[in-house]
Amino acid sequence: DTEVTQTPKHLVMGMTNKKSLKCEQHMGHRAMYWYKQKAKKPPELMFVYSYEKLSINESVPSRFSPECPNSSLLNLHLHALQPEDSALYLCASSQSTGGYGYTFGSGTRLTVV
Amino acid sequence: AQSVTQLDSQVPVFEEAPVELRCNYSSSVSVYLFWYVQYPNQGLQLLLKYLSGSTLVKGINGFEAEFNKSQTSFHLRKPSVHISDTAEYFCAVQFAGGTSYGKLTFGQGTILTVHP
Repeated sequence: DTEVTQTPKHLVMGMTNKKSLKCEQHMGHRAMYWYKQKAKKPPELMFVYSYEKLSINESVPSRFSPECPNSSLLNLHLHALQPEDSALYLCASSQSTGGYGYTFGSGTRLTVV
Repeated sequence: AQSVTQLDSQVPVFEEAPVELRCNYSSSVSVYLFWYVQYPNQGLQLLLKYLSGSTLVKGINGFEAEFNKSQTSFHLRKPSVHISDTAEYFCAVQFAGGTSYGKLTFGQGTILTVHP
């Protein structure tokens, strides 16, 4: 298995909703990442988990809450989002945090209404 | 400051012509370099990477890139493009030290459009 699987592929949510994005990999990778990509822009790093511990938080607003229940799963909990949070959310994994290419999932297209 | 710059936002080219997508980086520490491709409404796929060793690296789909340390560049090339190569290409840098250690940072992207 050489894939990173993200669900759902599309999500529409209201500003008062609570939802979660899920990411799963079975490659034995010990680092996992959340990126946010706005239209016509490069991906921007949000969070890094290394060995299931949060190692980097790029000053992301608290309405985004990451969780790493085990080495294969990564969640992103969403609450009270704003319309400007609409974007493609990409999950990625790598063997570790140094010197390896990342494997990306196909993303969740989030629309906040 | 550490950064990565893709010099062309859009590159139009005719089918079967050669193409070069340019990438330069700035760093005070060693770097690992990557090229990714993103097709519309999809995630990113790794084309190739430079970690160490030979400065000419070959990747998937006939792409190759050359690491030039003196010019701090990592340009992507393909000798003959196909319509199916139409996509956005991102150069990415991972810093091997400093405050940005381990973070993968992307350039602004180059949209390659292949015309018949």
